Amino acid sequence: GAGVSQSPRYKVAKRGQDVALRCDPISGHVSLFWYQQALGQGPEFLTYFQNEAQLDKSGLPSDRFFAERPEGSVSTLKIQRTQQEDSAVYLCASSPDSLVYGYTFGSGTRLTVV
Amino acid sequence: GESVGLHLPTLSVQEGDNSIINCAYSNSASDYFIWYKQESGKGPQFIIDIRSNMDKRQGQRVTVLLNKTVKHLSLQIAATQPGDSAVYFCAETNSGGGADGLTFGKGTHLIIQP
Repeated sequence: GAGVSQSPRYKVAKRGQDVALRCDPISGHVSLFWYQQALGQGPEFLTYFQNEAQLDKSGLPSDRFFAERPEGSVSTLKIQRTQQEDSAVYLCASSPDSLVYGYTFGSGTRLTVV
Repeated sequence: GESVGLHLPTLSVQEGDNSIINCAYSNSASDYFIWYKQESGKGPQFIIDIRSNMDKRQGQRVTVLLNKTVKHLSLQIAATQPGDSAVYFCAETNSGGGADGLTFGKGTHLIIQP
């Protein structure tokens, strides 16, 4: 596609519910990143994939957060047993190679946990 | 729509004036810096970047200045237009050795007065 596509655009989850957020990167992009952006804050790094390999997951806030990219294209960020502090915009970005240059962000998924 | 400008420093300028947005970064090992523009409900959009071997870089209506001595970055926007209204983030990374997550600053909400 022309850009990074994320779905759903908005998600409301009841506390304790599991959610799955999808990212379709730009076709052919090797690198894929997930960020969490709380209201009024800058994005914070969660995890990074190079093709299907998850090379860095140091930013995932707890073991309730899990990300995968099994075929090196589409990625899913899963949050188990959601809590109110998980409410944020989850941004995905992709890059054509293994370097940070050329990042393109999607519009994000706004998760609200009630 | 949602506002990403809540709780952020705000800079209000008259249309047609020049804007200067400042950012202090924390990691002396960072060697690559990017300015992003984020409009309400959208992901960050690349504006301009600079590497640590430079102290100034110019784009179309934008200039980035880097002062490594005091770890300070600024974005100058010439002849601001209504479409420049957004939240602006600086981001830093140590780009050596492959992709790393970006570390974002707190952001500045730029408001253009007619």
